[in-house]
Amino acid sequence: GAGVSQSPRYKVAKRGQDVALRCDPISGHVSLFWYQQALGQGPEFLTYFQNEAQLDKSGLPSDRFFAERPEGSVSTLKIQRTQQEDSAVYLCASRRTGGIEWASTDTQYFGPGTRLTVL
Amino acid sequence: DAKTTQPPSMDCAEGRAANLPCNHSTISGNEYVYWYRQIHSQGPQYIIHGLKNNETNEMASLIITEDRKSSTLILPHATLRDTAVYYCIVRSRKTDSWGKLQFGSGTQVVVTP
Repeated sequence: GAGVSQSPRYKVAKRGQDVALRCDPISGHVSLFWYQQALGQGPEFLTYFQNEAQLDKSGLPSDRFFAERPEGSVSTLKIQRTQQEDSAVYLCASRRTGGIEWASTDTQYFGPGTRLTVL
Repeated sequence: DAKTTQPPSMDCAEGRAANLPCNHSTISGNEYVYWYRQIHSQGPQYIIHGLKNNETNEMASLIITEDRKSSTLILPHATLRDTAVYYCIVRSRKTDSWGKLQFGSGTQVVVTP
């Protein structure tokens, strides 16, 4: 079946350029997460959506990072004026259930990620 | 704050059991132990989770000590496709809003022929 897809898989940007990364979650999944993974590190939480509402953006590293999910399905992570330290893999994950009443069995399904390289 | 401690790397021979340790000495009573793995160039994949009892599924077994301060993920018959970074994660509804995952650095497992 269809899983979480992300595009592009690879993105090279010059320092100062804006980029947009797309995530297509599993159909019908309420929750959507974005994570950032630096080389050799585990993923780190960026932001969380429940349907179209962005309920947690505590992990966004600066105001250059912006995420949206306007219709509660596809999400876009935008990075303005990219810097070299933004180079990382950006992972998207979705979960069937929403909110804080998630059950222990509710699994997050991850996409393959977008590898962003800022030169 | 690091909730879990894992060895950075370990090797395993193909066909043998791989036993991956995880220390979570500060775990609280309502926190679950989860294991995910990440194969190169892929997103993390759920393996198994447990609270107190040992658990087994088609992928692996999870052994949690009686005091719950440590656990072991067992891959019964490792294959080359099991080469990945394995993450041990502790989480609960109380400590992890929205169910976000807090990954550490994980254990790089290399299965050799």
